[in-house]
Amino acid sequence: QVQLVQSGAEVKKPGASVKVSCKASGYSFNIYGITWVRQAPGQGLEWMGWISAYNGNTNYAHNLQGRVSLTTDTSTKTAYMELRGLRSDDTAVYYCARDDGAYSSSWFDHWGQGTLVTVSS
Amino acid sequence: QSVLTQPPSASGTPGQRVSISCSGSSSNIGSYTVNWYQQLPGTAPRLLIYTNNQRPSGVPDRFSGSKSGTSASLAISGLQSEDEAAYYCAAWDDSLDGRVFGGGTKLTVL
Repeated sequence: QVQLVQSGAEVKKPGASVKVSCKASGYSFNIYGITWVRQAPGQGLEWMGWISAYNGNTNYAHNLQGRVSLTTDTSTKTAYMELRGLRSDDTAVYYCARDDGAYSSSWFDHWGQGTLVTVSS
Repeated sequence: QSVLTQPPSASGTPGQRVSISCSGSSSNIGSYTVNWYQQLPGTAPRLLIYTNNQRPSGVPDRFSGSKSGTSASLAISGLQSEDEAAYYCAAWDDSLDGRVFGGGTKLTVL
């Protein structure tokens, strides 16, 4: 069965960077994209960006461009999300999700369990 | 402020039918398909409806989606206590050149 397993919780200081991993299993990794979504405490879902596991193409949310980087390692079927210049309002649960369907008409059909990133001095 | 507008809350009694709206514009819902996600308390979101009205395997047919113009709607019939969750609509947005979510609707089963 399709599974996305994310790395564990992180506590970071303001200005630091964090890198969250998302290991996929149960499907052909390089046929699908991976989308990252975050959720601040008590808030809604926020789309962060997308990466094609086929060719590494990316698309980032405008408000995060320059601070976020999405990568994949097809040899280990793992996707990574790195966020730099952390601020307190980056405190959130970060989710990876498999992105299925045509680019702008796709959907997120399998989700990781989430990774809590806490930014605090 | 979310690009897609949802009511913050909705409620119903067991067995009732409830509907959750998602209002957008020509740059998102008016031009692209809509997906819906369910998030039970303390868990990751789950795909509920894709491409406006398609249900993934495993999603009961009590859940249905529709789209008209720049708005979409999620309907839940035969409401059950386990349907108590937050529901989010999502679509592509041309102006932002990315995916956008609605603010979410918290459904309470009375």
